[in-house]
Amino acid sequence: EAGVAQSPRYKIIEKRQSVAFWCNPISGHATLYWYQQILGQGPKLLIQFQNNGVVDDSQLPKDRFSAERLKGVDSTLKIQPAKLEDSAVYLCASSLQGWVSGANVLTFGAGSRLTVL
Amino acid sequence: DQQVKQNSPSLSVQEGRISILNCDYTNSMFDYFLWYKKYPAEGPTFLISISSIKDKNEDGRFTVFLNKSAKHLSLHIVPSQPGDSAVYFCAARSGGTSYGKLTFGQGTILTVHP
Repeated sequence: EAGVAQSPRYKIIEKRQSVAFWCNPISGHATLYWYQQILGQGPKLLIQFQNNGVVDDSQLPKDRFSAERLKGVDSTLKIQPAKLEDSAVYLCASSLQGWVSGANVLTFGAGSRLTVL
Repeated sequence: DQQVKQNSPSLSVQEGRISILNCDYTNSMFDYFLWYKKYPAEGPTFLISISSIKDKNEDGRFTVFLNKSAKHLSLHIVPSQPGDSAVYFCAARSGGTSYGKLTFGQGTILTVHP
């Protein structure tokens, strides 16, 4: 099966500019996640979608970050305006269902590395 | 508030020996624990998991041990191979109405020397 696709792989912008990242999850996966991984730290959940509805965005800086998942498939994460501390790898992941019994195995994409100058 | 902690930033072992990676957690509501492996420029890939009602799960060279009373889990790799060199993340799943949210530790860089 095809994996989780993300683009772009790398992006360099200046602070106060905007950027958007795109994710195409594994076909049939109802749950989609955006994680932020800052260098030297573990991935931190930004937002979680169940189909096209948001189930957790408690750690999303809503004054500058936004995300949508149209038609319950692809998703876009936007940052506007960017700050220096937004430099990180943005990981998209998907899973069949978020809350089924058993371990919730997420499949991750390769990530989009953002550098804010 | 870091609910999942990996206190060793790095670990270096000789090929053929055992690698032991440790993880501590604080939230008693976690119901599953997972280990992910990450190579440079790639996303994390799932390695092995364990339910909170078990104390051991084994898959080939990889074994995860869970000590609920100590809120501690460990990943054992025996024998270690150079291809195991990667960053290892411990993750914990929130049960109940959290829709399967995973919380990750900071990661441990494992280097296996030939």
